[in-house]
Amino acid sequence: DTGVSQNPRHKITKRGQNVTFRCDPISEHNRLYWYRQTLGQGPEFLTYFQNEAQLEKSRLLSDRFSAERPKGSFSTLEIQRTEQGDSAMYLCASSPTNTEAFFGQGTRLTVV
Amino acid sequence: DQQVKQNSPSLSVQEGRISILNCDYTNSMFDYFLWYKKYPAEGPTFLISISSIKDKNEDGRFTVFLNKSAKHLSLHIVPSQPGDSAVYFCAASFTNAGKSTFGDGTTLTVKP
Repeated sequence: DTGVSQNPRHKITKRGQNVTFRCDPISEHNRLYWYRQTLGQGPEFLTYFQNEAQLEKSRLLSDRFSAERPKGSFSTLEIQRTEQGDSAMYLCASSPTNTEAFFGQGTRLTVV
Repeated sequence: DQQVKQNSPSLSVQEGRISILNCDYTNSMFDYFLWYKKYPAEGPTFLISISSIKDKNEDGRFTVFLNKSAKHLSLHIVPSQPGDSAVYFCAASFTNAGKSTFGDGTTLTVKP
């Protein structure tokens, strides 16, 4: 399967704990995006990488959130000191150009 | 301020009939528009797109229409099939930016 892969698929954590999600994009795609989706809403942009450079971060991304894409390959999204409001589906997408994106299946985070 | 709006949360049509999904946007600087389809437990999948220099783009049973003066686009599915039942997201972007702004989705149900 050469699609976008996200791990884990589900994560339950206690409030205040740190969590890290991983995204493996389609190998030849140099653009990588993170979005967050809550129930009944569309995906909201969080951050964007072109190769290893983080080119844009949403104002939604508080300082508890950090993303990396070392060597322009896989990416990680870390949330520190999780809060109940962080519960959502976290979607990763990759793209070879600035047009359509290819999404992974997402990581569902539940903060209890 | 929601820049992309899908005012119909749900739509139900009979198999074989036309499905029309609507989307409005507020930022006239958007110049690239996309439709994604999402099945439960999967990430969004790209369906069709249109550049602002066009007013229509067709791909098989799917046609997207863009009315720039009204800041409105629509997706037509003809004929509708039960397998088209999914959540459809409208998205808008700036050609050189890559990231997209999504609407909240319309759940389409096609009845056999």
